[in-house]
Amino acid sequence: DIQMTQSPSSLSASVGARVTITCRASESISIYLNWYHQKPGNDPKLLIYAASSLQSGVPSRFSGSGSGTDFTLTISSLQPEDFATYFCQQSYNTPYTFGQGTKLEIK
Amino acid sequence: QVQLQESGPGLVKPSETLSLTCTVSGNSISGDYYWGWIRQSPGKGLEWIGSKHHSGSTHNNPSLKSRVTISVDTPKNQISLKLSSVTAADTAVYYCAREVIESGSPLNYYYMDVWGKGTTVTVSS
Repeated sequence: DIQMTQSPSSLSASVGARVTITCRASESISIYLNWYHQKPGNDPKLLIYAASSLQSGVPSRFSGSGSGTDFTLTISSLQPEDFATYFCQQSYNTPYTFGQGTKLEIK
Repeated sequence: QVQLQESGPGLVKPSETLSLTCTVSGNSISGDYYWGWIRQSPGKGLEWIGSKHHSGSTHNNPSLKSRVTISVDTPKNQISLKLSSVTAADTAVYYCAREVIESGSPLNYYYMDVWGKGTTVTVSS
C-alpha cells in the first residue's frame, strides 16, 4: 500500500494567517492526490482533487500543488471556519490511502 | 442536492457480520460513479474499505477483501456493506461516499465528493 505522511500533525495559527500543510507519498503518485477537511462530528469535505483542482464551491483561498511524492495545501488567509483537521488521500492505486491528518487550531 | 444516509445496527457482536445500508437521494446510483465505504477510528484514522460501480466493477482493499461485500441495489437506490467475522478492531464510524470518475491520463482521477454523515458501529459482546 502507498503510505501518505502529513506534516505537521498539528498547527496553531491566527485568523488571517497563511498556512501550508505538506503531504508526502511513499512512492510517486503523479497528481492523483486529493485534500479534504473535517470538523469534529462531521463527515470529511472535499477541497482539492488531482493535486490542484479546486472543488466546486470551495473558496479560492484554498490551493493545492505538487506532483510525484510531495504535495502542499495552502490556505492563503485563514478564516474562522477553516479550523478543522485536514487529510490528504491518494487515488493512484487501490487501496486508496489517507494521511494521518493535520489538526489546525486557533492560536 | 445529492445526499447519502447510512443506517444499520450500532452494536455488533464479535465474530458476527456487520451490515450497513446507504440510501442515496438526489442522484441515481446508475450514473457513472463508484459508490464506496470508508471508516474512521481513533487508532487507524481514515481507512478506505472499497467501492462499486452499478456495472459491477469493484475496487477492493486487499486487507479487508476476504471479509467485505459491497452491493449496489439500483431499484432501491441503495448501496450496502457487509463485513464478516468482526472484531473490536472493526469498531469505527462508517461512511458511505460517492466516488467521482474524471478522465485523466494515464489514469482516471477518483475522488469522493459527497459523503454521508456516518454511523458509529461498536463491536462488543
